[in-house]
Amino acid sequence: TQLLEQSPQFLSIQEGENLTVYCNSSSVFSSLQWYRQEPGEGPVLLVTVVTGGEVKKLKRLTFQFGDARKDSSLHITAAQPGDTGLYLCAGGQGGKLIFGQGTELSVKP
Amino acid sequence: GAVVSQHPSWVICKSGTSVKIECRSLDFQATTMFWYRQFPKQSLMLMATSNEGSKATYEQGVEKDKFLINHASLTLSTLTVTSAHPEDSSFYICSATGGAKGRIPYEQYFGPGTRLTVT
Repeated sequence: TQLLEQSPQFLSIQEGENLTVYCNSSSVFSSLQWYRQEPGEGPVLLVTVVTGGEVKKLKRLTFQFGDARKDSSLHITAAQPGDTGLYLCAGGQGGKLIFGQGTELSVKP
Repeated sequence: GAVVSQHPSWVICKSGTSVKIECRSLDFQATTMFWYRQFPKQSLMLMATSNEGSKATYEQGVEKDKFLINHASLTLSTLTVTSAHPEDSSFYICSATGGAKGRIPYEQYFGPGTRLTVT
């Protein structure tokens, strides 16, 4: 059973567009982490959110943790080709990370 | 800070042989290391959790006798794929956590992965 539903799974957009990726669960997480992974490499940590309602910004990326700590979103403003990659959300639970299915983002110039 | 390395980055082996993959935390002590498997275009699947000096905890469906994990020190964990078969071909990634300086203790930092191909 997938505890963390990530959507959309695939997203192809033009440079300059905005996008939002969602992670939803019926479970409460102690933390929520977002990673970006490029082909043939390991995931790179982008951000960790721990407090319900928390919002963090990383340049053009905005991360939000839901008030009940069951969901999170990643919003990218004015996407660039360099943003292309696999985005993974992961919820902390019992000392382990529960990963979403991932969102394959392609930003075309 | 929080750098994790893996060696080798890719390996090709013949069916029936064993392969060892190393995972090292380079600038912090990793109290816990995790091993994941990833298929193309898919998310990460946790295989096992290892704590320094104790036996690894395997996820349901992962054969502990096939995927041997050793966490001998606070900076090194190894995964040995024994009697490898073509279906074991995959991308294996380790991660480490343990309170790297200035970091949240439970954040996981990932290695670059090891591509295993069994012929």
